[in-house]
Formats: sequence, structure tokens, C-alpha cells
Amino acid sequence: EVQLVESGGGLVQPGGSLRLSCAASGFTFSSYDMHWVRQATGKGLEWVSAIGTAGDTYYPGSVKGRFTISRENAKNSLYLQMNSLRAGDTAVYYCARVSTTVVVRLGLVPYFDLWGRGTLVTVSS
Amino acid sequence: DIQLTQSPSFLSASVGDRVTITCRASQGISSYLAWYQQKPGKAPKLLIYAASTLQSGVPSRFSGSGSGTEFTLTISSLQPEDFATYYCQQLNSYPQYTFGQGTKLEIK
Repeated sequence: EVQLVESGGGLVQPGGSLRLSCAASGFTFSSYDMHWVRQATGKGLEWVSAIGTAGDTYYPGSVKGRFTISRENAKNSLYLQMNSLRAGDTAVYYCARVSTTVVVRLGLVPYFDLWGRGTLVTVSS
Repeated sequence: DIQLTQSPSFLSASVGDRVTITCRASQGISSYLAWYQQKPGKAPKLLIYAASTLQSGVPSRFSGSGSGTEFTLTISSLQPEDFATYYCQQLNSYPQYTFGQGTKLEIK
């Protein structure tokens, strides 16, 4: 079955660290860019990080320097190391796969076609 | 950074209604826009990509249009299972693929 399964969430104190994992199955994991997206309770979706097939990484300003995305293709796994956590990082964290398709007049078009069910991270004392 | 603004933020409608949600980008993004549906406690589900291409398995009552800075998602005849929150996402600015703030579609 084609799926993504996140794990590693939990309760952590402000300033603490947590490592999330995302296990991929049913597809060639190494061929896809992967992203982390988070959602605070009752709020919208926020892009957190991305990693390309070559291991290139990207972050928004809100987490840059605190979060590190990585992948281990041999284990079909994606990771998010989160340090210096703040109350504002409290959210459900989703991993997502980026697929691409060639569309006439546009060329290669990306989209997030596969999402995990998410793992809850709570930062509180 | 490219900002996306959805309108309305809340929408109340009845089964059988035709509804339209708008997504405006702060700068041109060609047709690199996707729409997602999210139900409570669930992950987002891809509905449309490239502004107007229906994802496999998505009912044909969903349609998307637009290019540049203005986009729409239309549901031609609302079904009970369509009441959810809808998000647009721009995929023009690699890889900072930002989302709109969401539109919650509720039963009238």
C-alpha cells in the first residue's frame, strides 16, 4: 500500500528537542521530493521544510536554524529534527510527497499527492 | 514570499448548491496552483492541480480555473461529504509552496 506514516510526536518543554519520523511504503521513496507541513489546532496549513532527491534542504524563516530535515533512502524514511522548541511550534506535523506531471503549456507541474495522517507535537511546560 | 488570500473564509451553503471559492496570489504564479480538501482530524486531500486538472478519483462536480493571480474552485452541486475546509496552495516558488488561509464550508 502506498502510504506515509509519521511518528515521534509528543509533549516537550519549551527549549527542548524532538525528532519526527515519516516512514514511506509502496513507492520509490528516493525519487521524490518530500516536505513537512504543520497545522496548529484550528489554524491553517504552514509549510515547514523541504528536501530534494539530492538531499538539498529548505526552510522558512520561522524554523530556519532550529529545524533540520533529512532523509534516509535505504530505510525509506524522512526525518525532522526540531530543536529550541517554542509554544508556537505546537501543531500536527504532516509529511507529504511531491509528485510531478507534465502539463501542456506549463511543463512540469508539482503537487502534494500523498500525505501522512500526522503526528501531534505539543510544546508546553 | 508569495501570499495567497482565499475568500470567503467561511461559507454556509445547502446540499445541491453551487459554490465558488476564490484564491488570489500576491504575484503571478501562472497556473501552479493546487486545491485541497481537509476534513476534521484528517490529512489534506488533493483535489486539483495545475489550477484546473482534476486529480484521479475526485468527483467531476469539482472544477478549478484561473491563472496568474486569480483562481477559483467550484463545486457544481454540493453533496453532504463536501462540507469541509478547502485550501489553495501555490507551487510556483520552489520549494516554498505556501497555502491560503482556508475556507470552511458549512451546512446551512
